Amino acid sequence: DAGVTQSPTHLIKTRGQHVTLRCSPISGHKSVSWYQQVLGQGPQFIFQYYEKEERGRGNFPDRFSARQFPNYSSELNVNALLLGDSALYLCASSPERVGEKLFFGSGTQLSVL
Amino acid sequence: KNQVEQSPQSLIILEGKNCTLQCNYTVSPFSNLRWYKQDTGRGPVSLTIMTFSENTKSNGRYTATLDADTKQSSLHITASQLSDSASYICVVSPSPERAAGNKLTFGGGTRVLVKP
Repeated sequence: DAGVTQSPTHLIKTRGQHVTLRCSPISGHKSVSWYQQVLGQGPQFIFQYYEKEERGRGNFPDRFSARQFPNYSSELNVNALLLGDSALYLCASSPERVGEKLFFGSGTQLSVL
Repeated sequence: KNQVEQSPQSLIILEGKNCTLQCNYTVSPFSNLRWYKQDTGRGPVSLTIMTFSENTKSNGRYTATLDADTKQSSLHITASQLSDSASYICVVSPSPERAAGNKLTFGGGTRVLVKP
């Protein structure tokens, strides 16, 4: 079975642009969470979606938004990019809304110039 | 504020040697504590998960310990290999009632470099 897949793997944008990152969870997993990991730091929680509804939101500005599709894949959108948005964006899937089993994708490395 | 602090920030060890990484947390109430291994540019991979009632858990050459009274955990790597070079992240999950949204609290990680 395929693991959590994220696309693209790398992305370069300029300030003010917007970006869409995509995530496909493990087959059968209904929960998708997004995390931002700045170089040298641990991941920070951005959003969780379960059964296509937002179930949790971290301390991020409204420029960050996400959604989950009927097939449980998810998109993370970031508008008006800032230099500080440069980070590794991780997607994690889980079979339950709250549970121990959390599987991460390899991430999308976003560089904002 | 819930926090997870890890030490050291980084360390270098020789292949075949052992090392121990530390994690202190203030998350309360607490459900479980996890150790993840993260290779550079990759997503974290789970090594161990311990609930508050467990004191130790092993996964091959990795052994995690937990003292819920002092809110401390350690990860011991035995007979290190070059492939152990990675960041090791301590992650604490609040009680299930508060874990909605998978609001896990991540430590900053310890970067381990194993040299031949």
